[in-house]
Amino acid sequence: AQSVTQLGSHVSVSEGALVLLRCNYSSSVPPYLFWYVQYPNQGLQLLLKYTSAATLVKGINGFEAEFKKSETSFHLTKPSAHMSDAAEYFCAVSSSGGYNKLIFGAGTRLAVHP
Amino acid sequence: DGGITQSPKYLFRKEGQNVTLSCEQNLNHDAMYWYRQDPGQGLRLIYYSQIVNDFQKGDIAEGYSVSREKKESFPLTVTSAQKNPTAFYLCASSETGTSPGYTFGSGTRLTVV
Repeated sequence: AQSVTQLGSHVSVSEGALVLLRCNYSSSVPPYLFWYVQYPNQGLQLLLKYTSAATLVKGINGFEAEFKKSETSFHLTKPSAHMSDAAEYFCAVSSSGGYNKLIFGAGTRLAVHP
Repeated sequence: DGGITQSPKYLFRKEGQNVTLSCEQNLNHDAMYWYRQDPGQGLRLIYYSQIVNDFQKGDIAEGYSVSREKKESFPLTVTSAQKNPTAFYLCASSETGTSPGYTFGSGTRLTVV
């Protein structure tokens, strides 16, 4: 079975500081990995996805993530936080099998302070 | 523009009532999904459908029902058998095949009064 663990339910950074949100996955087959962002009372928006091409994936809003097979990790980073980055972030892995069921982590709420 | 529309945005249900949440997409996606979101628990899959007139139970299907009579529509009914229905409900769709990711609607917040 596949699973996702997001380390840290809450992360707080200062504006301009590095953002690092951690995600570790478990999968018996090569995974497809995703990061989504959710603003209050809204749906989820895709930030970026890894689909077995380049291990460093660039997404929207200046975010990027690196797939590290040896560490089973897919951490999300942004060099300089902006106040508008405050939101909840979800890591997800796609399951094996004949359809695209996504398994989501519990989420990390990012707070950005002036 | 293509997307997913969920309605209503907010819904209130009395004890013992069934309510139906609407989800419509114009992305021509074959697959559609319903998730429930509770604080600190991430997203949990209720039902999914890969094709018209077919759907499968997810991890927490008890107390819910769905239909898929049209490709564009995947309504979710929260029945009186669902003992704790207060939550944020998200609908999503995707193409079939490997790794396309999901497109999400903006959600419906259901509250029992």
